[in-house]
Amino acid sequence: SQTIHQWPATLVQPVGSPLSLECTVEGTSNPNLYWYRQAAGRGLQLLFYSVGIGQISSEVPQNLSASRPQDRQFILSSKKLLLSDSGFYLCAWSVSRGPWAGELFFGEGSRLTVL
Amino acid sequence: ELKVEQNPLFLSMQEGKNYTIYCNYSTTSDRLYWYRQDPGKSLESLFVLLSNGAVKQEGRLMASLDTKARLSTLHITAAVHDLSATYFCAVDDSNYQLIWGAGTKLIIKP
Repeated sequence: SQTIHQWPATLVQPVGSPLSLECTVEGTSNPNLYWYRQAAGRGLQLLFYSVGIGQISSEVPQNLSASRPQDRQFILSSKKLLLSDSGFYLCAWSVSRGPWAGELFFGEGSRLTVL
Repeated sequence: ELKVEQNPLFLSMQEGKNYTIYCNYSTTSDRLYWYRQDPGKSLESLFVLLSNGAVKQEGRLMASLDTKARLSTLHITAAVHDLSATYFCAVDDSNYQLIWGAGTKLIIKP
């Protein structure tokens, strides 16, 4: 069966510090991968998605970046965090084709507080 | 541009009652998803609706899709406290990208 792992689960970072969140998927190959952000009490905002190694699409311009160095690894980074980067970050995967493409499976989430 | 509207955004109800959450979307799509999110937790897939007239049921929850009306409903039967959560619908934009509703926060009181 497929699993998705995301870490760290919680982090508190000062403004201006770097960020690295990591996500890995097991039990599938060539998944589509996604990074979402959810502000407190709000809906989901798609940040990045990837359909393959090194292929990243950005949905929202910001000081965040994403990379996919391996097929089942997705990393969210920032060189300098802003207060507005605080939120709940969710990694997700989906199959890339077929009738079940589109259904997302989410990691446990990473709660980021920027002070 | 595909837009997804959920209503109500907040719902407080008594145990044992029935209620329905609505999800309207603005352009043609035949793929719709319902997710549940418990406070402080991630999202869990509840239902995948892939065609007009699709109906899925799991316990006290039943979801349906009417692609002609561009409407999906999530019906709760005889609500219990454990169903308290935020429910999101999401619609496929035909490019395997999901457009999300704002979520319905459901509180079920004993």
